Amino acid sequence: DIVMTQSPDSLAVSLGERATINCKSSQSVLYSSNNKNYLAWYQQKPGQPPKVLIYWASTRESGVPDRFSGSGSGTDFTLTISSLQPEDVAIYYCQQYYNTWTFGQGTKVEIK
Amino acid sequence: DVQLVESGGGLVQPGGSLGLSCAASGFIFSRYAMSWVRQAPGKGLEWVSVISGSLSHIYYADSVKGRFTISRDNSKNTLYLQMNSLRAEDTAVYYCAKFYDSTDSFMADWGQGALVTVSS
Repeated sequence: DIVMTQSPDSLAVSLGERATINCKSSQSVLYSSNNKNYLAWYQQKPGQPPKVLIYWASTRESGVPDRFSGSGSGTDFTLTISSLQPEDVAIYYCQQYYNTWTFGQGTKVEIK
Repeated sequence: DVQLVESGGGLVQPGGSLGLSCAASGFIFSRYAMSWVRQAPGKGLEWVSVISGSLSHIYYADSVKGRFTISRDNSKNTLYLQMNSLRAEDTAVYYCAKFYDSTDSFMADWGQGALVTVSS
């Protein structure tokens, strides 16, 4: 199974500042035949189901604010929130869908 | 708009059985792979089972293989999960999720979840 490891487990960022979450997979999730990284990012707010933010590592889902961006390839990926807003307080998960589906352990984002 | 509504959760004793349903609307159900993903209280996300739109591909996590059965009725736009030999560690909110397209993709839309509690 592919293991997804996120860092940090939690972070506190001031409003308007940048938040960066890292995700590392135990093996590459880049499919060479189509050059796509099978990596998604989800946001989960308290009491709500997860919501997809980013897929194919860097494609923003329709309706997601452009302050959210995804980058990386192979085994190392990053979710960046360029200017943290109050509504961004949530737990963020990365997920690989290269070989079955596994999630990272989650990163809790709070306001400093 | 995509709507996914889970039902059937509740309290069950260890070793017991329970069935979940997910009523889907707002999209052509038979064209999309569907999944169950669970979240134990205060914990992260764990995929449980996946079924393709044509029923030709079915996958189970090792933790539930042999105990859970996923199925779907495309004529009723409904996804099911039959859970047998339940254990305390199966206690979780179970989410129904629609894939972006095929099983070679991610969970694009999620229901609100159904709580399953396994306890004596």
